[in-house]
Amino acid sequence: DVQLQESGPGLVKPSQSLSLTCTVTGYSITSDYAWNWIRQFPGNKLEWMGYISYSGSTSYNPSLKSRISITRDTSKNQFFLQLNSVTTEDTATYYCARGATDAYYFDYWGQGTTLTVSS
Amino acid sequence: DIVLTQSPATLSVTPGDSVSLSCRASQSISNNLHWYQQKSHESPRLLIKYASQSISGIPSRFSGSGSGTDFTLSINSVETEDFGMYFCQQSNSWIFTFGSGTKLEIK
Repeated sequence: DVQLQESGPGLVKPSQSLSLTCTVTGYSITSDYAWNWIRQFPGNKLEWMGYISYSGSTSYNPSLKSRISITRDTSKNQFFLQLNSVTTEDTATYYCARGATDAYYFDYWGQGTTLTVSS
Repeated sequence: DIVLTQSPATLSVTPGDSVSLSCRASQSISNNLHWYQQKSHESPRLLIKYASQSISGIPSRFSGSGSGTDFTLSINSVETEDFGMYFCQQSNSWIFTFGSGTKLEIK
């Protein structure tokens, strides 16, 4: 079965960078699909952040401008989120999710990792 | 960006009731609309894809309809395990967006 598992620091100081890892088991991230990061703010709003495709191409939400980078390590079947210059507004639960490349619905999700930005 | 407006924000129902949740898009999105359920402290779960297509493992009491700008998620005879948040999501535009959600709660 496909499983995704996020990991991260839990707490980051303002102006620093956050780095999160998504470890995928049960499916190779180079076979197919888009591998996404989605976050959920306090109050439940969901925001799609971006993806790295099975081929290695990336797409990002313009709202994150140049702060975001999604990369991967195919040998470990992992993909990563880096978000620079974080503020308290980046406090959220971060999910990784698999997206179907025909219509970009998200069929498998990780359990989420909570990130707090605070000094 | 395409804005998805969900209504109502909260729906209070009794188990056994049948309900309809609405999702309206700010512009036509064909049938590129998907529905998710999220229970407390869990990640979202895909319920319906392409507005009306069922997902393996999802109970048949869940169904979707609509196209263009107006979409509906229907639950036939709500069960206690169905209470939680419901979100719609569009993929017609490459900036994928979600609705703000409908909370289904026990009356």
